[in-house]
This record gives sequence, structure tokens and C-alpha cells, in this order.
Amino acid sequence: GQQVMQIPQYQHVQEGEDFTTYCNSSTTLSNIQWYKQRPGGHPVFLIQLVKSGEVKKQKRLTFQFGEAKKNSSLHITATQTTDVGTYFCARSNFGNEKLTFGTGTRLTIIP
Amino acid sequence: SAVISQKPSRDICQRGTSLTIQCQVDSQVTMMFWYRQQPGQSLTLIATANQGSEATYESGFVIDKFPISRPNLTFSTLTVSNMSPEDSSIYLCSVSWGRETQYFGPGTRLLVL
Repeated sequence: GQQVMQIPQYQHVQEGEDFTTYCNSSTTLSNIQWYKQRPGGHPVFLIQLVKSGEVKKQKRLTFQFGEAKKNSSLHITATQTTDVGTYFCARSNFGNEKLTFGTGTRLTIIP
Repeated sequence: SAVISQKPSRDICQRGTSLTIQCQVDSQVTMMFWYRQQPGQSLTLIATANQGSEATYESGFVIDKFPISRPNLTFSTLTVSNMSPEDSSIYLCSVSWGRETQYFGPGTRLLVL
């Protein structure tokens, strides 16, 4: 499948600041998933977006799917030390359960 | 979700040897996958483990190097054969129930000397 690019690659923020990571694809996506991997841990599923323009919230996390279904974003409000980790978006291919993971954004928090 | 375990959790191996990694799930699953994650990198799919038949490998991965078994709906193994230092990585299994969302095992950290 087509690679999905994420920016930024790294982000260092002061605790309490907001954080956003962006996921971009050159082709239309059937859906986009987001995963979080804590340091030394394994990826953990956060959410799946399917509809054009969809917005979903999980407490301080807001996930958006672009109108053209080619990009997505994850925004964290008022970061906490527990938010540390690498955030990956992942695409599945139409009619196929395989996932292609994005390049990831590594978030570090300065207490 | 389900409880997914992997054995071993980590290992240090000599070049030229082989290591078999096990992935066990506590319930039957539709799909099982094997990924490699090199240090500081994203996840790369190695293959889809098919129950009762040969695995489906992604470009750049071959059966001779990464033989995979899946004898039933709860268990799979990945062997890393004739290892070299370039095989040092984290190997992760994941499972799904046909809804595209995947759940990952804790991973096997492999260092090849």
C-alpha cells in the first residue's frame, strides 16, 4: 500500500501545551486509524475514522478526517506526561485488512 | 480485544542462528499478522499468517528468511532464519477480527551479535 507521511517527526512540548500531528496520503483513504506506542511498549489502538470530515473526541484528544479523505490529524489539548509516546496513523486498503503505518510522530513532554 | 502473548520477550542471538517467536491469543481470531519495527522506526508488515496455508508475504520479505506457521486460530510462529545484525529489531504480532482494527502483542526484542 501507499505510504502515509506524518509530520512532525518529533515534537517536544511543555506540559500543558497543545500538540498536533498530521497524517497525509497522496491517495484517497477508505479509513484511517490512530495508534499510540508508549516508550518500550507496543502500539495500542486509539480510534478509527471512516467518514469524510469526521471528527471524534476522546477526552483531551480530537481526531479529524479530511473532507477529501486524504489527510487526518490528532490534536491533544493541554498535554500531560502520560501523553508521552509515538503516535502512528495507519491506513487500510480498500477491501483489505492489512495496515500500512505512517512514519509516526514522537511526542516528548517537558515537565 | 484479547490477551496476546509473545515468547520470548527478548533474546540475544549469534549471527547465523535462527530464532522462533511464538504468538498466542486467548480467543480465536480471524487474522494474524507479523511486523518488524527497527529502532526508532515505524512498523513494517512482514506477512499475514494464514490458518492452514502458507503465509502471504509483503514485498522484501521471503519465506526462506521468515518462515511462518499458523496451525490454528489462536497461535502463530515467526522464525527469523540465518540471522545477521541487520535483523536486530522488535518483532510484533497483531490480530484482528475482520474489522481492520488490529491489536498487538507485547513484542519480541531481538539483538543479533
